[in-house]
Amino acid sequence: KQEVTQIPAALSVPEGENLVLNCSFTDSAIYNLQWFRQDPGKGLTSLLLIQSSQREQTSGRLNASLDKSSGRSTLYIAASQPGDSATYLCAAANNAGNMLTFGGGTRLMVKP
Amino acid sequence: EAGVAQSPRYKIIEKRQSVAFWCNPISGHATLYWYQQILGQGPKLLIQFQNNGVVDDSQLPKDRFSAERLKGVDSTLKIQPAKLEDSAVYLCASSLTDIRGPGNTIYFGEGSWLTVV
Repeated sequence: KQEVTQIPAALSVPEGENLVLNCSFTDSAIYNLQWFRQDPGKGLTSLLLIQSSQREQTSGRLNASLDKSSGRSTLYIAASQPGDSATYLCAAANNAGNMLTFGGGTRLMVKP
Repeated sequence: EAGVAQSPRYKIIEKRQSVAFWCNPISGHATLYWYQQILGQGPKLLIQFQNNGVVDDSQLPKDRFSAERLKGVDSTLKIQPAKLEDSAVYLCASSLTDIRGPGNTIYFGEGSWLTVV
């Protein structure tokens, strides 16, 4: 059974810092790995999707990497802004491609 | 483009009562998901539909939870009877295709918040 862990559970940084959020998964036989953002009281918004054959994906100030062999993914946020404050969740899709297993999320606070 | 619509947004019920949540996915999306998110945790998949067929319901507590997707569009999730541990946010999501397809971006609704007292 796939288990997804995110460390740290919470993070507070000053505006402008570059930061890294970590995601680890126990079963490396994944179809893809996705990163989502969740604002308080809202649903999830898809940020980046990395196929199992890819090593990284970039969107603006966000860069996500994937290392299947070690069971790890990282989300890099450059030049953080207060508007980046939210909970970030990673999710691994099983090889059959029919189920996403989510981590518990990292709650990010960027202080002005 | 309209997003995934869910109702009601908030519901408070007593244990052993029943509740139903409704979801209207984005038009044309074949895949519909119901997730349960307990406070402080990541979402857990309850059931996945492809059109009006069930793809996966392995984590749905079938003794008390049921879901249907009539005509492959709207969906309802029912809990009967509710327990205290069912207090959570119930998220509906949809995508054009399943995870393996080219339209696999998942769009989430804002959720239905359930409190069981």
